Amino acid sequence: SQQGEEDPQALSIQEGENATMNCSYKTSINNLQWYRQNSGRGLVHLILIRSNEREKHSGRLRVTLDTSKKSSSLLITASRAADTASYFCANHGSSNTGKLIFGQGTTLQVKP
Amino acid sequence: SQTIHQWPATLVQPVGSPLSLECTVEGTSNPNLYWYRQAAGRGLQLLFYSVGIGQISSEVPQNLSASRPQDRQFILSSKKLLLSDSGFYLCAWAKGGGGDGYTFGSGTRLTVV
Repeated sequence: SQQGEEDPQALSIQEGENATMNCSYKTSINNLQWYRQNSGRGLVHLILIRSNEREKHSGRLRVTLDTSKKSSSLLITASRAADTASYFCANHGSSNTGKLIFGQGTTLQVKP
Repeated sequence: SQTIHQWPATLVQPVGSPLSLECTVEGTSNPNLYWYRQAAGRGLQLLFYSVGIGQISSEVPQNLSASRPQDRQFILSSKKLLLSDSGFYLCAWAKGGGGDGYTFGSGTRLTVV
């Protein structure tokens, strides 16, 4: 399978705490993307990190990429109850087809 | 601005019945189009993708087919549904090679009974 893995599979934290989700992938990448999915809804693109980048920030989101370990992490700082959702990483390979290979996701619950 | 429409939102179909799910994109031209399926509590599995009208690539052998009759229209079909076709189907589009991210539709929950 080309799909990577994410851990933890589920994470429960209190509002205000930070949440860290990890993602490993198997093939070479052009970039690594993170998406959010609210229950029963479509996915929303959060942030993208290119293979030549090591860290990227967007608001309360911080993404790191370690291509030598084929891994990425997503940190959400100062979490809010509204951050409760599933989070997926997706591997964009070097291809004109633009295929994304998604991980299995981390379900985050933020308790108020 | 670009928008993507996917319908219906939910569908309950008997085993052996046909299926047609439609996805349309507005506000862009020549998008790459994708169909994914998501099993309950799982990640997304790429089913089909299309880089142009009439060009369909299948990722996994299955009971489904896809067509792209117009530039911004992507249809997922089946002649006879199986129980195992149940799931959450998501359409997405991306510009060019998809390197800037996908935009997803709101999904169709299909239950085959």
